[in-house]
Amino acid sequence: SQTIHQWPATLVQPVGSPLSLECTVEGTSNPNLYWYRQAAGRGLQLLFYSVGIGQISSEVPQNLSASRPQDRQFILSSKKLLLSDSGFYLCAWNPAGAVEQYFGPGTRLTVT
Amino acid sequence: GQQLNQSPQSMFIQEGEDVSMNCTSSSIFNTWLWYKQDPGEGPVLLIALYKAGELTSNGRLTAQFGITRKDSFLNISASIPSDVGIYFCAGQPSGTYKYIFGTGTRLKVLA
Repeated sequence: SQTIHQWPATLVQPVGSPLSLECTVEGTSNPNLYWYRQAAGRGLQLLFYSVGIGQISSEVPQNLSASRPQDRQFILSSKKLLLSDSGFYLCAWNPAGAVEQYFGPGTRLTVT
Repeated sequence: GQQLNQSPQSMFIQEGEDVSMNCTSSSIFNTWLWYKQDPGEGPVLLIALYKAGELTSNGRLTAQFGITRKDSFLNISASIPSDVGIYFCAGQPSGTYKYIFGTGTRLKVLA
């Protein structure tokens, strides 16, 4: 069966520090991968998505970037965090050719 | 970013009551998805809808893909306390891999 992992589960980082969040999917090949951010009590904002290795589409201009170094690995990065980067970061995937999208457990990021 | 208009924003209901919520969009969608999110967790997929007019059930949940392809509805029958959470709709526009999410309906069930 397919499984999606995200780590770390929680993270507290000072302003100006770098960020690296990782997402991996098991049990499938060539999935579409997504990064969302959710502010407290709000909806989901799509940040990046990828339909293949090295293919990244950015939805929101910001100081975040994404990379897909392997088929089932999706990484969200920042060189210098801002206070406004705080939030709940969710990775999601759907099987290639399918429309059902499944979410990981999320990473709670607090920038202090 | 673009979001769907989801209503109601929140609702308190008595245990055993039926619940209805809906999402509307100015754009046509090819797919509608409904999720439930518990605090501190990722959303869990409840129902997927694939074509206009489709009516699909999952236990006490029933969802419909609107005929105009611009709206969708979710009904929960005989609510129970564990139905508490935030429900999100999501739509996938034609010709894109993106999903647009609704603003969420926060459901609270009073025992």
